[in-house]
Amino acid sequence: EVQLLESGGGLVQPGGSLRLSCAASGFSFSSYAMSWVRQAPGKGLEWVSAISGGTTTYYADSVKGRFTISRDNSKNTLYLQMSSLRAEDTAIYYCAKGASIAPRCAFDLWGQGTMVTVSS
Amino acid sequence: DIQMTQSPSTLSASVGDRVTITCRASQSISSWLAWYQQKPGKAPNLLIYKASSLENGVPSRFSGSGSGTEFTLTITSLQPDDFATYYCQHYNSYSWAFGQGTKVEI
Repeated sequence: EVQLLESGGGLVQPGGSLRLSCAASGFSFSSYAMSWVRQAPGKGLEWVSAISGGTTTYYADSVKGRFTISRDNSKNTLYLQMSSLRAEDTAIYYCAKGASIAPRCAFDLWGQGTMVTVSS
Repeated sequence: DIQMTQSPSTLSASVGDRVTITCRASQSISSWLAWYQQKPGKAPNLLIYKASSLENGVPSRFSGSGSGTEFTLTITSLQPDDFATYYCQHYNSYSWAFGQGTKVEI
């Protein structure tokens, strides 16, 4: 079955760190760009970060310098290392599969999301 | 950065209605636009890519049009399963952005 499964969310204090994972199955993971998209409670979608099928990375200004996206193609897994977390980072974090190896594409498969809450 | 603006924010409609949602980009994005549907508590689902191409498995009552800065998503004969929030998204540059969403309600 083609699917994405996120994990690693939870409650973290402001200034803390957290690493999200996204396990992919059912498709050739290394052949597609991947992204993280978040959604604050009751709000719209916000693109966070993307990575090509290789190592080229892209970040939203709101997370640049604090978040790091990476992938392990041998483990079919996408990661998002988040540090210096702020209350405004509280959101459901979705991983999303790009429709091509280049990041400049729509997202044709989404995970179920993992909740990150930044609060003291 | 390119900004995406959807209208309306909320749309009240009935089963069987024809519904149109508009998305405007702050600068030309050619046809690098996608539309997604999101139901409460669920992840978004791709409906349309490259402005007018229907994703596999999406009912043909959904259609997209436009290019440059103005785009529309049309649902002909609205069905009960279509009551949801719809988002446009550009992927013209390496800084993707979503519109604020349009909630289609009964």
